[in-house]
Amino acid sequence: QLQLQESGPGLVKPSETLSLSCTVSGASISSSPYYWGWVRQPPGKGLEWIGSIYYSGNTYHNPSLKSRVTIYVDTSTNQFSLRLSSVTAADTAVYYCARHPCLVCGGNFDYWGQGALVTVSS
Amino acid sequence: QSALTQPPSASGSPGQSVTISCTGTSSDVGGYNYVSWYQQHPGKTPKLMIYEVSKRPSGVPNRFSGSKSGNTASLTVSGLQAEDEADYYCSSYAGGNSLLFGGGTKLTVL
Repeated sequence: QLQLQESGPGLVKPSETLSLSCTVSGASISSSPYYWGWVRQPPGKGLEWIGSIYYSGNTYHNPSLKSRVTIYVDTSTNQFSLRLSSVTAADTAVYYCARHPCLVCGGNFDYWGQGALVTVSS
Repeated sequence: QSALTQPPSASGSPGQSVTISCTGTSSDVGGYNYVSWYQQHPGKTPKLMIYEVSKRPSGVPNRFSGSKSGNTASLTVSGLQAEDEADYYCSSYAGGNSLLFGGGTKLTVL
């Protein structure tokens, strides 16, 4: 059974970099023809796609966040990670990692992590 | 890119049908048959309910159906049940290898 689990600091200071990892169990990131993505949800608000990485390493980002987002894969630990730079209070959200079988088909996120709340505050 | 537009709320009585709309543009919803719908109960993770406008993943009741006309996609929940009360989000491919979500609709079962 595929499982995803986010991990990382729950509190980040303004202007610093948010870093989260997603550990995948039940499948190998590097051998599965899937995309591995990040979606966030500010408290009480809707979902926002941040970006995704294909198993081959190609990355895709939300244009509104692109300049601040880095997504990469560590095949040795079967994890993929998110770095979001220059954070502000507006980046406070629950961050989900999720798997999706395609990008141009609209995402179709079928497996999700439980989510990690990250608060940006000094 | 702006979020897709959904009504903030919708409601219906048990057994009734409710339709939730998701309006975009010709660059996203209207341009591709790639609209998905997610259900999210409070404090839970989103669950994929519909993909590619009208397809249901295995295990999703056939009470849930999707359609699209022009720049607006719709999710219809027939035979409303208490457990259908949740937030619903649409998403669409938006071209240029990007995805958009809607703002969400809170469905209340009266």
